[in-house]
Amino acid sequence: QVQLVESGGGVVQPGRSLRLSCVVSGFTFSSYGMHWVRQAPGKGLEWVAVISYDGSNKKYADSVKGRFTISRDNSKNTVYLQMNSLRAEDTAVYYCAKDLLGGDYRGLFDYWGQGTLVTVSS
Amino acid sequence: DIQMTQSPSTLSASVGDRVTIPCRASQSISSWLAWYQQKPGKAPKLLIYKASSLESGVPSRFSGSGSGTEFTLTISSLQPDDFATYYCQQYNSYPWTFGQGTKVEIK
Repeated sequence: QVQLVESGGGVVQPGRSLRLSCVVSGFTFSSYGMHWVRQAPGKGLEWVAVISYDGSNKKYADSVKGRFTISRDNSKNTVYLQMNSLRAEDTAVYYCAKDLLGGDYRGLFDYWGQGTLVTVSS
Repeated sequence: DIQMTQSPSTLSASVGDRVTIPCRASQSISSWLAWYQQKPGKAPKLLIYKASSLESGVPSRFSGSGSGTEFTLTISSLQPDDFATYYCQQYNSYPWTFGQGTKVEIK
């Protein structure tokens, strides 16, 4: 069955960096766009970033543009989120999610990981 | 950006009730709308896409309707497992955006 497993979360000071990973199984990873979506404690869902099936296209939410970088390694079935210059408002559970449609991406999320908590605090 | 509005933020209902959850988009999104269910401490689960298409494995008591700017998620007969928060999401255009959620709680 489809599985997405995030890791790399933790407590980090403002201004520092963190890299999240998401390892997937159960589907042809190299055929699908992949997203990161976050949820601040007690709040709603916010889409963060997307990468196309082959890594050639990427998009970011304005709130993270220039600070976060999404990447993927299709040989390792893994998608990454490099987070730099972290701020208190980046504190959230970060989910990786699979795009429902193959190819680039559609912005529709059919499978999600369990999430990894990032806390930005001094 | 397209704003998605869900109201009320909390809805009280009893087992067996018919429940409708509204969602409004700030501009037309055709039928490019999805609904997700989220339980505490868990990841969201896709229920409905393209406004009214039921995701595989989702019980038929869930249905979606609407187009343009007005949408509704309906649970025909609320079951104990359905007490959760429901989010609508537009995928008409980037950046993809979610409503703030409607929590369905036990009356």
